[in-house]
Amino acid sequence: NAGVTQTPKFQVLKTGQSMTLQCAQDMNHEYMSWYRQDPGMGLRLIHYSVGAGITDQGEVPNGYNVSRSTTEDFPLRLLSAAPSQTSVYFCASSQGQGENSNQPQHFGDGTRLSIL
Amino acid sequence: SQKIEQNSEALNIQEGKTATLTCNYTNYSPAYLQWYRQDPGRGPVFLLLIRENEKEKRKERLKVTFDTTLKQSLFHITASQPADSATYLCALRGGADGLTFGKGTHLIIQP
Repeated sequence: NAGVTQTPKFQVLKTGQSMTLQCAQDMNHEYMSWYRQDPGMGLRLIHYSVGAGITDQGEVPNGYNVSRSTTEDFPLRLLSAAPSQTSVYFCASSQGQGENSNQPQHFGDGTRLSIL
Repeated sequence: SQKIEQNSEALNIQEGKTATLTCNYTNYSPAYLQWYRQDPGRGPVFLLLIRENEKEKRKERLKVTFDTTLKQSLFHITASQPADSATYLCALRGGADGLTFGKGTHLIIQP
């Protein structure tokens, strides 16, 4: 009964390094998304996917790439890490897709990322 | 621009009392609104969903109201307990690209 699994839980990077945050879900959900959560800013949507092979940008996509080759996995890539990307990153999944979907989001427990 | 506003200050409530949290929104016409709970170091957990044609929704000690005229949702926890202490987030779907969350209200239930 894993739900949404994110790895790693913690990571420290140097400016300019690249890395991939992993996200996997075992609920056969079509919709997956990535958020970042910063103090005083709340959760902000980075990228989302409505199914395998389909991705789109959210509110704050710059500096991040995503791909969705399978239903289960939705990795988030930092191309060249910057201190402004220090944050807690959450992956979420849900059944259904689209504007009229009212399905609850299932979140992982986050990756805490520090960029020095 | 679209906004979701929740009380940014912590809400301190004595154990056993009813806690009421507010979510106000502007420039949305949501078909539904969701409430989540977030504990320190954890991801948000879904609690309740209320649709625009529902005035009130209940689940155990939780009650949510939704007033589309006032553009406001109220989240109530009755007979509050210290274990209810957490941050509570409201969320709306503003379009096809996913939920938009409020910044959350930190609730502290004091024994």
